[in-house]
Amino acid sequence: EVQLVESGGGLVQSGGSLRLSCAASGFTFSTYWMHWVRQVPGKGLVWVSRIDTDGSDTSYADSVKGRFTISRDNAKNTLYLQMTSLRAEDTAVYYCARAYCTHALCFTSVYDYWGQGTLVTVSS
Amino acid sequence: DIVMTQSPESLAVSLGERATINCKSSQSVLYSSNNKNYLTWYQQKPGQPPKLLIYSASTRESGVPDRFSGSGSGTDFTLTISSLQAEDVAVYYCQQYYSTPITFGQGTRLEIK
Repeated sequence: EVQLVESGGGLVQSGGSLRLSCAASGFTFSTYWMHWVRQVPGKGLVWVSRIDTDGSDTSYADSVKGRFTISRDNAKNTLYLQMTSLRAEDTAVYYCARAYCTHALCFTSVYDYWGQGTLVTVSS
Repeated sequence: DIVMTQSPESLAVSLGERATINCKSSQSVLYSSNNKNYLTWYQQKPGQPPKLLIYSASTRESGVPDRFSGSGSGTDFTLTISSLQAEDVAVYYCQQYYSTPITFGQGTRLEIK
């Protein structure tokens, strides 16, 4: 069974840092692109970042570029999001999501599995 | 950035009736080399992460009931639920994956009338 379990969220002061983790199981983690998507409770979905299978290609939303870093450890089956210089507007539930890929079809940015999310609250 | 605009923002439909949600992109998400529309639909129920319903604008993900269908091309897309069931109460999002940044519509809240 595919599982994605986020951790590392919590309450942090503006300007602080947090590192989110997403532990993957039930599939060959190293063969899937992975993403972070965030959602302010009660609001819509916002893409944050993505990383390719070996970590050599990453991309970020303009709102987090230069402050957040996505990475992965394929030996540990874990995705990370290092967040620095946090702002009140970064407050959200952060989801990790797996990009859809089967034997017949792969997408880099269609999400077939999501974690349950971890809440990040930045106090000003 | 491609802006995705959904309508309506909320919708109330009677059980067994048809529900239609629209999504418009600010530029075409049709990839000419393969004639595929880079558009997905997700369903999100309270307290849960989103669930993939449809990709390539009209292909239903495995296990999704056939009352859900997607249509459209270029910049205008529709998600249709042919006969609303109680378990379909949720917020629905469209998403384009034609270009980075990936962008979502603002969501449409579907309720029972």
